[in-house]
Order: sequence, then structure tokens, then C-alpha cells
Amino acid sequence: SQQGEEDPQALSIQEGENATMNCSYKTSINNLQWYRQNSGRGLVHLILIRSNEREKHSGRLRVTLDTSKKSSSLLITASRAADTASYFCATDSGNTPLVFGKGTRLSVIA
Amino acid sequence: NAGVMQNPRHLVRRRGQEARLRCSPMKGHSHVYWYRQLPEEGLKFMVYLQKENIIDESGMPKERFSAEFPKEGPSILRIQQVVRGDSAAYFCASSQFGSGPSADTQYFGPGTRLTVL
Repeated sequence: SQQGEEDPQALSIQEGENATMNCSYKTSINNLQWYRQNSGRGLVHLILIRSNEREKHSGRLRVTLDTSKKSSSLLITASRAADTASYFCATDSGNTPLVFGKGTRLSVIA
Repeated sequence: NAGVMQNPRHLVRRRGQEARLRCSPMKGHSHVYWYRQLPEEGLKFMVYLQKENIIDESGMPKERFSAEFPKEGPSILRIQQVVRGDSAAYFCASSQFGSGPSADTQYFGPGTRLTVL
């Protein structure tokens, strides 16, 4: 069954605004990762957050993890047109394969 | 340092033919993962291989699909007697270590888009 579910399914914002995407999952996890996929391309790894971490930053990206609510959020600050892509969360539970959600399609309008 | 390479990038097959998809992992990586992505969907895990071993094939259809990662050469995902429902993007990823409590980042290739006519 699908582990990660992103919300919203689609998001459209103006350049310079912040974009927040959420991911909920069902079972205990060891790690949660966020990936970006540009149209017709492969996935690019953004951030990995472990289950004992609550927040991580990387440049304009901020990821939070709330294991009590089984949810994570990805915040992109000061968005740019180049951030337009689909964003996926993926979880693993120890020695298990990564399980991906369906993704959030972000459109940043210049 | 080349990333994960996949070929071909696009593959067209008629129903009943065989499709062979190749994946060369990043240098120094000995773990390979295959995923399938349908339009507007996330990636679905198919199989996890190390050199000469299949570690986890829980996501692989029982029939017509097979995968290998020989000692020398790329990993191959083979689909026999393709059907229209096999049309999808197939992504390969590699990592230096396997998944586990110290999960290692998986690096993805650009994918092979299979179209079955």
C-alpha cells in the first residue's frame, strides 16, 4: 500500500513566495527523503531526514519531521521559476525499499 | 564523475516483443534499484540487486519480468512478451551501501520511457 501521501497534489505560486508541501505516512519509518523530478527527467535527491531528527535545512529548503503525527513538510523559500517540478517524499523502515508518494506538482510563475 | 546512466532513453516495442533496459550505476556503487513510474504517479519499487544477487524482488511482477546485475556490465531489466500496460517510465537508482538503518542516498538515472504499441 502507498506509504507516503503528498499534499497538495498541485500547487501554483508566484515567484518569490514560499511553497510548502506536506507528506503523511502510515507506519513507523527510519528515514524520510524528499526528491524533485523535473518533467521527463529522473529524480534528484534533496534531503534525507532521519526519524530521530525534527528539522533539517539545505539552502532554501527546510524539512520538518513529526513522527508523532507521521508527517513531514518541505518548505521552499523565495521560490524561483526553476523550482517548478514535482516533489516526492519517500520513506523506508529499516531494510525495506523506498516507498514513494504520488507527488506534489509545483508551478512557480514568473 | 558520471552519474547513473540508463539506456535507451526511449524504447518502442510492439505487443509480444521483448524489452531490455540497461542501467550503469555510479562509479563505486554496488547496489542497484529499479522502479516503475506510471503517468501522474509516484515511483513504485520493483527490485533491489547487488552484484550477482537479487536482494529484494517483492515489487516485481511474477511473470515476464526479470532483472540481473552481473559481475561485469550493467544491470538489465528484461520484460518478455510486453503488453500495453507495461508502458511506463522505468528508473534505475544506485547507492554505495544498501538500505538500512543508515540509509544511503539513492541516485537516480534519467529513466527509460517504454512505449508498447
